[in-house]
Amino acid sequence: SQTIHQWPATLVQPVGSPLSLECTVEGTSNPNLYWYRQAAGRGLQLLFYSVGIGQISSEVPQNLSASRPQDRQFILSSKKLLLSDSGFYLCAWSLTGGSYTFGSGTRLTVV
Amino acid sequence: GESVGLHLPTLSVQEGDNSIINCAYSNSASDYFIWYKQESGKGPQFIIDIRSNMDKRQGQRVTVLLNKTVKHLSLQIAATQPGDSAVYFCAEGLYGNNRLAFGKGNQVVVIP
Repeated sequence: SQTIHQWPATLVQPVGSPLSLECTVEGTSNPNLYWYRQAAGRGLQLLFYSVGIGQISSEVPQNLSASRPQDRQFILSSKKLLLSDSGFYLCAWSLTGGSYTFGSGTRLTVV
Repeated sequence: GESVGLHLPTLSVQEGDNSIINCAYSNSASDYFIWYKQESGKGPQFIIDIRSNMDKRQGQRVTVLLNKTVKHLSLQIAATQPGDSAVYFCAEGLYGNNRLAFGKGNQVVVIP
């Protein structure tokens, strides 16, 4: 069966520090991968999605970047965090035409 | 662009009653619809989906209704339980496409 792992679960980082959030999927090949951000009490904002290794589409200009070094690995990064980067970050995967399966999320607090 | 929206931001329902959560979508080309449940501090979980060749689909205690004429989607939860308290998102897309559009979410609060 397919599983998605996202870590860490919580993270507190100072302003200006770098960020690296990792997401891996098991049990499937060539998944579509997504990074979402969710502000408190708000909806899901798509940040990046990827349909294959090295293929990254960015939805909104921001202080973040994404990379897909391996088929089932998706990384969300920042060189210098801003206070506004705080939020709940969700990774998801899908196969073409199917529903999304979300990870458990990372709560990022930038202080 | 096209968007998916929910009518009610918060729904309070008595335990044991039925809940109905509504969603309007604007992309008439969408042919695939999904409901997700998100509990506090967790990722959204798939509840049920429906394709546009159907107008009703039932799961365990949940029913999704699709009215393509008025571009309306609803989720009915029978005999609502405290564990049903969560935010519910609808999503729309094109089956065969990689992208889903999510609604803003609707908080359901179950009163014991």
